Amino acid sequence: ILNVEQSPQSLHVQEGDSTNFTCSFPSSNFYALHWYRWETAKSPEALFVMTLNGDEKKKGRISATLNTKEGYSYLYIKGSQPEDSATYLCAFDSGTYKYIFGTGTRLKVLA
Amino acid sequence: EAQVTQNPRYLITVTGKKLTVTCSQNMNHEYMSWYRQDPGLGLRQIYYSMNVEVTDKGDVPEGYKVSRKEKRNFPLILESPSPNQTSLYFCASSPGVSGNTIYFGEGSWLTVV
Repeated sequence: ILNVEQSPQSLHVQEGDSTNFTCSFPSSNFYALHWYRWETAKSPEALFVMTLNGDEKKKGRISATLNTKEGYSYLYIKGSQPEDSATYLCAFDSGTYKYIFGTGTRLKVLA
Repeated sequence: EAQVTQNPRYLITVTGKKLTVTCSQNMNHEYMSWYRQDPGLGLRQIYYSMNVEVTDKGDVPEGYKVSRKEKRNFPLILESPSPNQTSLYFCASSPGVSGNTIYFGEGSWLTVV
């Protein structure tokens, strides 16, 4: 059974702190790794779709790296703001239209 | 505006009473899918569709049916809902090939009593 794990499950940081989370996924049958940001009562919103080993993507203060050989991806948030508070989801894409999501990292940024 | 629209957003129903959750997308996407979100578990795929009249089971299809008669619509049918189907449901769509961004609806909170 393919498994995607995210850590930590939750964390609280102070406004201005930088933080990072981990997504671990199977290193075989890899096609892409997706990151989503999910605010309560809203729909998950795409952050990145990453396909190449060593890939780095950036969107404002948020960036992500990908290591397909060892099966992990890191999401970084620089200078966290209260509006960054959300659950961050990753999803493993094996190219078969069946996506496997992690349980998410719930981030709370304290003002 | 590009969007995935689900209805109803909130529903309380009784065991055994058939219900349908509609999903519509306006982006001409080939791929559509249904997920359920339960506490402590990641989004779990119920069914997906690669195109009109092409559907397949996800990881948790029991108790659900789907149909894809038109490209834009992908309804989720609960023929005889049970309390273990109480959950938050998301519809999603994306262009046909894997590796593309998935667009989600806003979710449907379903409670079966």
